[in-house]
Parts: sequence; structure tokens; C-alpha cells
Amino acid sequence: DGGITQSPKYLFRKEGQNVTLSCEQNLNHDAMYWYRQDPGQGLRLIYYSQIVNDFQKGDIAEGYSVSREKKESFPLTVTSAQKNPTAFYLCASEQDYEQYFGPGTRLTVT
Amino acid sequence: AQSVTQPDIHITVSEGASLELRCNYSYGATPYLFWYVQSPGQGLQLLLKYFSGDTLVQGIKGFEAEFKRSQSSFNLRKPSVHWSDAAEYFCAVDGDDKIIFGKGTRLHILP
Repeated sequence: DGGITQSPKYLFRKEGQNVTLSCEQNLNHDAMYWYRQDPGQGLRLIYYSQIVNDFQKGDIAEGYSVSREKKESFPLTVTSAQKNPTAFYLCASEQDYEQYFGPGTRLTVT
Repeated sequence: AQSVTQPDIHITVSEGASLELRCNYSYGATPYLFWYVQSPGQGLQLLLKYFSGDTLVQGIKGFEAEFKRSQSSFNLRKPSVHWSDAAEYFCAVDGDDKIIFGKGTRLHILP
């Protein structure tokens, strides 16, 4: 089956720790995206990558970092600099303007 | 700047009733428009898209949307809703190098 996988589904961390969220796709799409979703806020773009070894900041990149070493993988690191990291994180890939979403990771930082 | 507005945060309809979810966009050129649906705790799924041509587009699950350039709108409709349609719906526009999403409309279904 082709698709986007995100793991884990739920993630818990202590404040001050960095945490990396996984996103893998086997759709052979060039473009990949990370969004953050909070209640009533819709989807806010964190980072995106149009091609391997290249990525751009989105609207709320502060406190986050990404890498794109392989076409299939686009991991997101939530650093200790992110002031309010508890949220639902969605990864997507894109082809022909259509975005394909993973199931999301709910991160809770206490 | 491109933007998408979904005026209704929550909508409640009775099962079997018709549905219309509103979406207005701001974009200089001919927009590419989308509607996505999200069930609780899940990712988003594409319902339908408009790129060009016929302004009434059909999607999955019995949904349709109509592009009205004069009103800058792309409203989503369904003639008869089912309890399984309860979800959050997002309108989106292609904003050159990224997709811009509205804040969503949560649909509640009364039995």
C-alpha cells in the first residue's frame, strides 16, 4: 500500500528535551510538508521541502528543525526552544497540487 | 496575500438534511481550490478539487462544490448528510509554493 506513515501516534516528552517526529512516504512524491494543528487554528505550516536536500521555513518555523536527506523521509525535530510544543502534528506529501496526509502524531510535553 | 475564510466554526444539521459549508478565498490569479475532511485524531483526506473548467465539481462521499469567481467562493454541498459525515472540513487554496488552509468548519449531525 502506498501512503504516508507517521510514528508514533502518541508521544510524550519532558520539557527541555528535543524530540523527533518521523514521516515516511512511498508515493515517490518530491514535495513534503509539516503542519501543526491546534484547536480552532486550522493547519499552520512549519516547514516544507520541494526536493531532496532542500527545505524552506513555513509560517511557524521557530523552535523546529527538519532534514530531507532522502526522498522518502522528512523528519521534524521539535526543539526545547519551541515555547508551546504540545499539539497535533501532520505530515503530508504532494503531487499535482494534491496533498496526501499521514495519520498525525499527537505530541504532549509536560 | 492569499487567504481562505471559512465563516462558520461549527455547523449542526439533522441527519438526512442538506448541507452547505461556506468558503471564501482571496487570490489574484485563477485559483486551485480544494476541500479536505478530517475525522477526529486523523489526517486529512481530499474530498474534491477545482482547477479549471466546469465550475461544479463532484467529489467523493456524495459531496460537490461550486466555484463562483464573482463571489470568490467555493462552497461545499451535500444533498443529504449521514451521521458518518460528522467531521471537520477544511477549504484550501493553492498559494503558489504552498497550500493555504482555512481554519475549518466542524460539522455536527443530529440523529
